[in-house]
Amino acid sequence: LAKTTQPISMDSYEGQEVNITCSHNNIATNDYITWYQQFPSQGPRFIIQGYKTKVTNEVASLFIPADRKSSTLSLPRVSLSDTAVYYCLVGEREYGNKLVFGAGTILRVKS
Amino acid sequence: DTEVTQTPKHLVMGMTNKKSLKCEQHMGHRAMYWYKQKAKKPPELMFVYSYEKLSINESVPSRFSPECPNSSLLNLHLHALQPEDSALYLCATALTDTQYFGPGTRLTVL
Repeated sequence: LAKTTQPISMDSYEGQEVNITCSHNNIATNDYITWYQQFPSQGPRFIIQGYKTKVTNEVASLFIPADRKSSTLSLPRVSLSDTAVYYCLVGEREYGNKLVFGAGTILRVKS
Repeated sequence: DTEVTQTPKHLVMGMTNKKSLKCEQHMGHRAMYWYKQKAKKPPELMFVYSYEKLSINESVPSRFSPECPNSSLLNLHLHALQPEDSALYLCATALTDTQYFGPGTRLTVL
C-alpha cells in the first residue's frame, strides 16, 4: 500500500476555496486515490475518488497530475461545517480491501 | 436504507467485564469491518469479514472477538480489556471498495 503524506493542519475562512495536497510517490499502476472526511466522534465519510486528471462531484474536486505522485482535494467556498479531518488514501479498488489511513489533515474554517 | 448503525453509543466497562458491540446494516453490503480509533489518531483496521467469513485479522489481541452471525450484523465481543483499549470503535461496510462507516461506539475501560 502506497504511503501518503499530507499537511498536518490548515486554516481557512468561510467562503474561501481550500486545496489540500497529498503526496503518494510510490503509487502503483492499479491504485486509486480516495478522500474521506471525518467529524469529531463520527465515522469517516467518503468524499471523492479518482484515478487521473480531474474528478468533480457535488462536494469537491480532485486534481491528479499526469505522474499521479500527488493529488489535490479542492473544497469550493468552505463553511464552518467543513471543519473536519480529511484523509487521503491510495490503494486498489478491491472488494473487501483494507483501508490504511494516514495522519490526515485537520482543516479549521473560521468565520 | 443507507445507514450503518452501531450500539451502544457509549460503553463504560471494567477490566473483568464481558460486553459486546453491535453493528447493523441493511444495504446488502457483504464486506464488514471493525476499526479502532484512538483520540487524535487515524482509524486502524482490526478485522474484515467478507460474505460472513473472517478474511483479515490485523493481529488483534484475543480479548477482542469478532462475530458475523448474518449478512446484516457484525458483533465485537470484549473480554478482559485493558484501559489502553479505550477508544472509538468504528464499524464499516462496503459493496465495492468504498466503505460506509457507522457513528462508532465510544468505549471506556476502567
